[in-house]
Amino acid sequence: DVKVTQSSRYLVKRTGEKVFLECVQDMDHENMFWYRQDPGLGLRLIYFSYDVKMKEKGDIPEGYSVSREKKERFSLILESASTNQTSMYLCASSLYAYTEAFFGQGTRLTVV
Amino acid sequence: RKEVEQDPGPFNVPEGATVAFNCTYSNSASQSFFWYRQDCRKEPKLLMSVYSSGNEDGRFTAQLNRASQYISLLIRDSKLSDSATYLCAVNMGGGASKLTFGTGTRLQVTL
Repeated sequence: DVKVTQSSRYLVKRTGEKVFLECVQDMDHENMFWYRQDPGLGLRLIYFSYDVKMKEKGDIPEGYSVSREKKERFSLILESASTNQTSMYLCASSLYAYTEAFFGQGTRLTVV
Repeated sequence: RKEVEQDPGPFNVPEGATVAFNCTYSNSASQSFFWYRQDCRKEPKLLMSVYSSGNEDGRFTAQLNRASQYISLLIRDSKLSDSATYLCAVNMGGGASKLTFGTGTRLQVTL
């Protein structure tokens, strides 16, 4: 079974803090993704990566950056957290382009 | 127009009913299609891939209509445990592995 693990289930941070969300997959998948999910807006892609050190902007990259130094690990960074970044963050991975994605359990981030 | 659209529902159906959801997509070059199930406050889980010829997995049938650019999910003999939100996902093609999701359709199965 594919395992995608996110470092935290729940996180509370203060406005202006730098926040790191970590994601690890154990199936040697090429592609990794960060989504955020908000009521009524569904899943929106923030960034994705198709190889180590490679990244592409998704639909809502503003205020976020990512890092992929190793194939199994994809980090999402909120440079200066703001209250409008309060959301559920979901990491996913897929073996190749066009194949299904598998999700981590999600991190519910609250910025106060 | 959104890239991937779903009726948000909710669809309220009695146990044993048959229910169908559609999902339309805007990019005719889309390459792959999936249905996910998401329970409240949990992550989406892959339900099934959608193949060109249509495919079935037990009580679930998925179909693709490329001409009209939609995919469908049919659930037969609904169970209480089928209550969840069903998300469609479309890979838009063009060499990218970007997977775009609809906002989901909520299903509530009742006694």
